[in-house]
Amino acid sequence: DTGVSQDPRHKITKRGQNVTFRCDPISEHNRLYWYRQTLGQGPEFLTYFQNEAQLEKSRLLSDRFSAERPKGSFSTLEIQRTEQGDSAMYLCASSSPWDSEAFFGQGTRLTVV
Amino acid sequence: GEDVEQSLFLSVREGDSSVINCTYTDSSSTYLYWYKQEPGAGLQLLTYIFSNMDMKQDQRLTVLLNKKDKHLSLRIADTQTGDSAIYFCAVAYGGATNKLIFGTGTLLAVQP
Repeated sequence: DTGVSQDPRHKITKRGQNVTFRCDPISEHNRLYWYRQTLGQGPEFLTYFQNEAQLEKSRLLSDRFSAERPKGSFSTLEIQRTEQGDSAMYLCASSSPWDSEAFFGQGTRLTVV
Repeated sequence: GEDVEQSLFLSVREGDSSVINCTYTDSSSTYLYWYKQEPGAGLQLLTYIFSNMDMKQDQRLTVLLNKKDKHLSLRIADTQTGDSAIYFCAVAYGGATNKLIFGTGTLLAVQP
């Protein structure tokens, strides 16, 4: 399977704990995006990488959130001191600079209890 | 700022055509997309249109773009029960693969 892969698919955590999600983009794609989707809403942009450089961050990305893409391949999204409001589906997408299409992974569903 | 709106729900009978509508506020859009999301799943890209086009057809799907009214629609011909899902309109600004602004989604229910 050469699609965008996200791990884990589901995560349940207690409030206050830290969580980390991983995204493996399509191998030849140098652009990687993170989105957050809450119930009944469309996805909201969080941040965007081109290779290893983080080029844009949404104001939704509070200082408890950090994303990295150290070698320009996979990316991680960490949420520190999770809150119940962080419960959502976290979606990763990737694209190539010469293509108009962004391909999404299956997402990681986070539940904070 | 950018805002994308969709109606929340559409119900059609199997075999009929479905038309899902989307409006957006910022006229500097470059590409406009339609994604499909089934329960518990990620987003599947269905089709997209460049902002200098009025129409694009892809098998059962027809996309119409009215730039003057900032209105995008997706027509699904011969709708099947397998088309039941949430459909999202998404707008890109500043380049084809920059960040996408999504609508709230339209739930399409296909009645047998």
